[in-house]
Parts: sequence; C-alpha cells; structure tokens
Amino acid sequence: EPEVTQTPSHQVTQMGQEVILRCVPISNHLYFYWYRQILGQKVEFLVSFYNNEISEKSEIFDDQFSVERPDGSNFTLKIRSTKLEDSAMYFCASSEALQGVGQPQHFGDGTRLSIL
Amino acid sequence: DQQVKQNSPSLSVQEGRISILNCDYTNSMFDYFLWYKKYPAEGPTFLISISSIKDKNEDGRFTVFLNKSAKHLSLHIVPSQPGDSAVYFCAASRAAGNKLTFGGGTRVLVKP
Repeated sequence: EPEVTQTPSHQVTQMGQEVILRCVPISNHLYFYWYRQILGQKVEFLVSFYNNEISEKSEIFDDQFSVERPDGSNFTLKIRSTKLEDSAMYFCASSEALQGVGQPQHFGDGTRLSIL
Repeated sequence: DQQVKQNSPSLSVQEGRISILNCDYTNSMFDYFLWYKKYPAEGPTFLISISSIKDKNEDGRFTVFLNKSAKHLSLHIVPSQPGDSAVYFCAASRAAGNKLTFGGGTRVLVKP
C-alpha cells in the first residue's frame, strides 16, 4: 500500500539554526499538509498546500516557517531560526482531495525534532 | 484548542469484548469526522470516517456513530483484539476547508 515517507526520523539541531524536514507524499495525491505534536499535547495543524501554494495556515505557522514542493515528489517544511519550543514530532500528510468529498489524509511516521 | 475532546485518556478491555471510544466536538461547522489509530514511533493511521449526512458507518470490526444534535461521535471495535492496543484519535474538519482538528487521544489496552 502506498505510504507517506518522512526523513529524517530524528533531527537534532542547535537553537537558531535552520532545519528542513522532508516528505514524499503518496504519488497521486494533490493536497499536502504539515502537523506537529509537542510532547503531551494534541496533534495540531500547521499548514496545507495545494497547486503550489499555501491554501491554509495556522497561527503557529509564522514567518519562521515555510513550505515548498521543489520537484514532483518532495514536500518540505523549513524552520528558519529554530527555537526551543519548536521541539516536537512533525507529521506530513497527503490526500487525494478535500475532506468534503470523503478522502482521508494519510500520515507519515513523523520526524522528531529536538532543539538544543 | 478544545473544539474536539476525548474525555477518556485510557480504556482497558478484555480480548473479544467491545471497545467503545467517545469524542465530543463544539464546532457546528464540522461535517467530516475521522478516527485514526497510532502505534508508538509511527504516524496516525486512518481507520474510518463519517460525513455529517450519515449517522453510522461500518467497516469490518469498526463502526462509527455520529449524533449531530449532541455533537458526539463514538467508535465501536467488535471484537477487540490485542493488536488493537494503540492510541486512538478522533479528528474533524469542515467540508469547505481541509485542516484536521484532533482530539487528545484515548489509549486502548486490549488484554488477552
């Protein structure tokens, strides 16, 4: 069964450094998402992306964050200057269509980001 | 964000019995609801969904019930198996949007 893949599985970075998290969505999917889960908290939405542009973003997704689909297969999340509070598990997801037509989002196994 | 709540943080059930997981929501704009299962060190895995035009959806051992007037949904797993031991999340979205709002999860332990 096709799956969403994320690399690396664990990223350790010094505070203030830039980090790029990578995702390969399911190949025929058109919609891409990033979520994060801080330890002990809920999974929370960061951003959605369709047709090479952001379709929705949360208040968490400030100017330090950006997303890109640099080629036909990868989808990346960049954090420009990491802060301690960015430490979390970051999940990438993709779906064939908007939720309104009943297509669920499929998630990768996540990247654990640890900021020192 | 308390729009989706799972009030039971954990549930223990005997193998072969029914597991019932509950979820409440407050946003009346939500009209698509999903259940995900998550094992440690893995991402959420989609289980079953329901749209607001239905009150029940069934897939094998999994059935989701939606009570729109009460803003409540539940997931029934029958019969429960040891491999069902995991954290279960309910999630909701609006038809016009595409972000998922998650509950806090319920950890299920199925005892052999």
